[in-house]
Amino acid sequence: KAGVTQTPRYLIKTRGQQVTLSCSPISGHRSVSWYQQTPGQGLQFLFEYFSETQRNKGNFPGRFSGRQFSNSRSEMNVSTLELGDSALYLCASSLVGPATRSGANVLTFGAGSRLTVL
Amino acid sequence: GESVGLHLPTLSVQEGDNSIINCAYSNSASDYFIWYKQESGKGPQFIIDIRSNMDKRQGQRVTVLLNKTVKHLSLQIAATQPGDSAVYFCAENSGSARQLTFGSGTQLTVLP
Repeated sequence: KAGVTQTPRYLIKTRGQQVTLSCSPISGHRSVSWYQQTPGQGLQFLFEYFSETQRNKGNFPGRFSGRQFSNSRSEMNVSTLELGDSALYLCASSLVGPATRSGANVLTFGAGSRLTVL
Repeated sequence: GESVGLHLPTLSVQEGDNSIINCAYSNSASDYFIWYKQESGKGPQFIIDIRSNMDKRQGQRVTVLLNKTVKHLSLQIAATQPGDSAVYFCAENSGSARQLTFGSGTQLTVLP
């Protein structure tokens, strides 16, 4: 089955602009998480959505927001872009519910959206 | 706060040798650990996980060892192959198995 799909794969923005990134989870996966990956800070958790509700949020400013649709697809938005927002933004999906086998609730990541802020 | 760290940022091994990648964690309440592999241009890919009620788990060519006493885990890769070249991350759960705290990663290079 298809993996996690993220669009766009690459984009360039300038400071002050905003950006919206999209994520389509694996079919049947109801949880979507977002992570930011930078050389300096590594992989950092942004937020998680399940049933169109934000369940967890990482330590990021309010400029970072997201949402989830009824079909489990998710978007994240970054407003008033700063140079430091340049990063690879990774989306991951997972099954929710009791794990019947090890790995059943692991995160499956997409290839990411590479954002460059100039 | 909790953190997950790695002992070495880079590791080079000869093809066919075994690789050992180490990871230390600080949160004694962590009960779930996972290893990911990230190849250039791709997202992290699940390798193996382990829960705190175990001290060893084996997969295909990989073994994860967990030492809760010293808060250390390791990933062993048997008969390392060129396709194993990647960055390896350990991660631990932070209250939710879906919210992970990642280590900084180890770049594994397999030499011919």
